[in-house]
Amino acid sequence: DTAVSQTPKYLVTQMGNDKSIKCEQNLGHDTMYWYKQDSKKFLKIMFSYNNKELIINETVPNRFSPKSPDKAHLNLHINSLELGDSAVYFCASSQGLTAGEQFFGPGTRLTVL
Amino acid sequence: GQQVMQIPQYQHVQEGEDFTTYCNSSTTLSNIQWYKQRPGGHPVFLIQLVKSGEVKKQKRLTFQFGEAKKNSSLHITATQTTDVGTYFCAGRDKLSFGAGTTVTVRA
Repeated sequence: DTAVSQTPKYLVTQMGNDKSIKCEQNLGHDTMYWYKQDSKKFLKIMFSYNNKELIINETVPNRFSPKSPDKAHLNLHINSLELGDSAVYFCASSQGLTAGEQFFGPGTRLTVL
Repeated sequence: GQQVMQIPQYQHVQEGEDFTTYCNSSTTLSNIQWYKQRPGGHPVFLIQLVKSGEVKKQKRLTFQFGEAKKNSSLHITATQTTDVGTYFCAGRDKLSFGAGTTVTVRA
């Protein structure tokens, strides 16, 4: 069973479009995250949710909007996509916000043309 | 804000040799984690260090947490082709990842 799953795995779209990435974890964790990994492999935290509440919201354009319908899901919606949004987006989860192992999903490779 | 610096960015290693990657924080860390990301894969948790001066071993991997809890290192002995990938340290409480050390191995 996949612990943290993301869909889609690949996403190719045109500039200006709106797209969503879905994430689900079956580990019973309270905390979920979205990370962006750029072409240089730098991993940057975007958002963190704890028990469906937004805890961390780093400096991210407001075109990015996370939504957590329940503790097991954290989706990422991106409006008006730009070329610079091209990256790999990872969802992750953990039990607890400041300690403990983070379990990462397989990633979604977003390419904006 | 907290920043975690990691060096070197790239490490090319002859199979069988040892290498070390280093992680430094601008602030004291409550704990530090290490992850490995294989090419095309996702980060996978290796270990968490919490105590000042802590040393933990996993087979050929040795992890250290500095006395001041501002730096950490990962030392790999007798490198194998299975060690290929990018190794990240992370200041867990601020979710700050280092830039990673990408390891390639010459057979």
